[in-house]
Amino acid sequence: EAEVAQSPRYKITEKSQAVAFWCDPISGHATLYWYRQILGQGPELLVQFQDESVVDDSQLPKDRFSAERLKGVDSTLKIQPAELGDSAMYLCASSTRQGLGEQYFGPGTRLTVT
Amino acid sequence: QQQVKQSPQSLIVQKGGISIINCAYENTAFDYFPWYQQFPGKGPALLIAIRPDVSEKKEGRFTISFNKSAKQFSLHIMDSQPGDSATYFCAASGDKIIFGKGTRLHILP
Repeated sequence: EAEVAQSPRYKITEKSQAVAFWCDPISGHATLYWYRQILGQGPELLVQFQDESVVDDSQLPKDRFSAERLKGVDSTLKIQPAELGDSAMYLCASSTRQGLGEQYFGPGTRLTVT
Repeated sequence: QQQVKQSPQSLIVQKGGISIINCAYENTAFDYFPWYQQFPGKGPALLIAIRPDVSEKKEGRFTISFNKSAKQFSLHIMDSQPGDSATYFCAASGDKIIFGKGTRLHILP
C-alpha cells in the first residue's frame, strides 16, 4: 500500500539553529500539505501545494519558515531560526487534485527545540 | 466562520458500549466531512467521510450522522473495543480543510 514518507522521524535541535524536514507524497498525488500539530490539538495547516505551486501559505510564519516543492513531487519544510515554541509534530499529507478531504498523512516528524 | 467545534474533549466508554463524538460547523460552503483516527506517535488516518447530500453513512462499526440544517455531524462507534482507543478528529472541507481539536477516546477493557 502506498504511503507518505517523512524524515527524520525525530529531531532535537537547539533554538536559533536551522532544521529541515522532508516529505515524499503518494505517487500521483498532486496536492501536498504541511501541518503542525501541537500535543492535544488538531493539525494546523501551514502550507498547501498544488503541483509545484503554493496555493495557501496564509498560516506559515514566513519570517522563519519556508517550504518548497521544486519538481512537484517531494517537498522540504525549513525553519530558520528555530524557537522553543516550534516544538511540535510536523505532519505531511497528500491527496489527489480533487480529493481535498481525503488526505493521506505521513508518520510525522517530532521536533523538540531546546 | 471557519471553525469546526468538536466535543467532548475526552471520552471514556466501556467495552461493548457506543462512543459518540459530535462536531459543528458554521461555513455552509463545506461539502465534505471526514473523520480521522490518530494513534499515539502516528499520523492521522482517514476513517470515514460523508457528503451533505446524505444523512447517514455506515462502515462496519462506524457511522456518521449528518444534520445539514443544524450544521452538525457526529461519529458513532458501535460495540466499542479497546483497539478503538485513539484520538478522533472531525474535519470539514471545501476549498480548504479545517480540523476540530480532537477527542481522546479510551475504551475500558
